Amino acid sequence: NAGVMQNPRHLVRRRGQEARLRCSPVKGHSHVYWYRQLPEEGLKFMVYLQKENIIDESGMPKERFSAEFPKEGPSILRIQQVVRGDSAAYFCASSGGRLNTEAFFGQGTRLTVV
Amino acid sequence: DQQVKQNSPSLSVQEGRISILNCDYTNSMFDYFLWYKKYPAEGPTFLISISSIKDKNEDGRFTVFLNKSAKHLSLHIVPSQPGDSAVYFCAAADGNQFYFGTGTSLTVIP
Repeated sequence: NAGVMQNPRHLVRRRGQEARLRCSPVKGHSHVYWYRQLPEEGLKFMVYLQKENIIDESGMPKERFSAEFPKEGPSILRIQQVVRGDSAAYFCASSGGRLNTEAFFGQGTRLTVV
Repeated sequence: DQQVKQNSPSLSVQEGRISILNCDYTNSMFDYFLWYKKYPAEGPTFLISISSIKDKNEDGRFTVFLNKSAKHLSLHIVPSQPGDSAVYFCAAADGNQFYFGTGTSLTVIP
């Protein structure tokens, strides 16, 4: 998947705990997108970030979810006080510029809330 | 509000035949379209893309057709191979984000 690295691949959290999902984009890519895939559903946009800026967060739930893409280091998707409905596969993608080029996806993080 | 729709959740095709996967969209501002292939427990893999200024793009066995007046996109795979069995997602971009369809599960029967 062209170098997008997500970790961990699998994450188990108890209800009420925090989940942190990391995404290292393709080297040189400054645009990161987070998507969520719920069981039996397609990919749902969550948030689009460029370095240090949130460009579009229209798909993010209003509470408990946040994302960042600092100047140094990976992008982080943070889910506070997780609930069972947060169980899903979370995918990160990166691109080198505006969306007239393909975005490359990571392998995803599968979050299970028990 | 689903802006990109894949109305066929599944498709079965004999090996060697053509697979045609369809996708419809509603937003005329989309200017870039892509197809991704996804195996279980893996991330989507980019297959092929097309800009809105074109109506066809071909890459090996894969061809994407774009009909802007009908707001319709299709992916042709010929000849189909068993290794093509996967879920295929179409996506459209408006500059800020990709909008994905819900996917079509393709099974190529040997």
